[in-house]
Amino acid sequence: GEEVAQTPKHLVRGEGQKAKLYCAPIKGHSYVFWYQQVLKNEFKFLISFQNENVFDETGMPKERFSAKCLPNSPCSLEIQATKLEDSAVYFCASSQSLGRGPQPQHFGDGTRLSIL
Amino acid sequence: AQKVTQAQTEISVVEKEDVTLDCVYETRDTTYYLFWYKQPPSGELVFLIRRNSFDEQNEISGRYSWNFQKSTSSFNFTITASQVVDSAVYFCALGDDKIIFGKGTRLHILP
Repeated sequence: GEEVAQTPKHLVRGEGQKAKLYCAPIKGHSYVFWYQQVLKNEFKFLISFQNENVFDETGMPKERFSAKCLPNSPCSLEIQATKLEDSAVYFCASSQSLGRGPQPQHFGDGTRLSIL
Repeated sequence: AQKVTQAQTEISVVEKEDVTLDCVYETRDTTYYLFWYKQPPSGELVFLIRRNSFDEQNEISGRYSWNFQKSTSSFNFTITASQVVDSAVYFCALGDDKIIFGKGTRLHILP
């Protein structure tokens, strides 16, 4: 597609439950990025993929968070045993290539995760 | 370490006034990219501009203009003749393979 598609738009989970977010990058884009935006507008980079391979996972919390990009499937970000502090908007972005520098990262509309 | 500072947390101006949003960045890289994004109340991120570190030419797009000054590590954004629809949070960002965002400036345009 021509847009980064994130589902669901909103996700509500009780503390301790699992949450799974999905992202379909723009067709032809090789790179997928996940960012977390907490309530005070601060963005945090989580992880990036080059096709199905992890490219950079330096922002990924060591525990509870995992992500995958499998061929012919939307990418996913999964949070096990959610905590109140996981409440945030999770943005996915895709880029065509890094090449000589990143193409403008195209962002999805985000998934708002609320942990109760 | 890379860092983006947007010192203005919140700005309010009356419609039709000009407003400048400040952005200062830190990086040790010689090649980097600077971005501005707009986040309206609806929450999506709207890409506004990307600037290569080797290109210090200022850019104008309609009522928007950007002033990139490498000597002061600044990439300021000016909206001329502001409109109510410009009300949003604006993020300056620095990137190469991943984007480092500033904390944003919330802009209120008052009718």
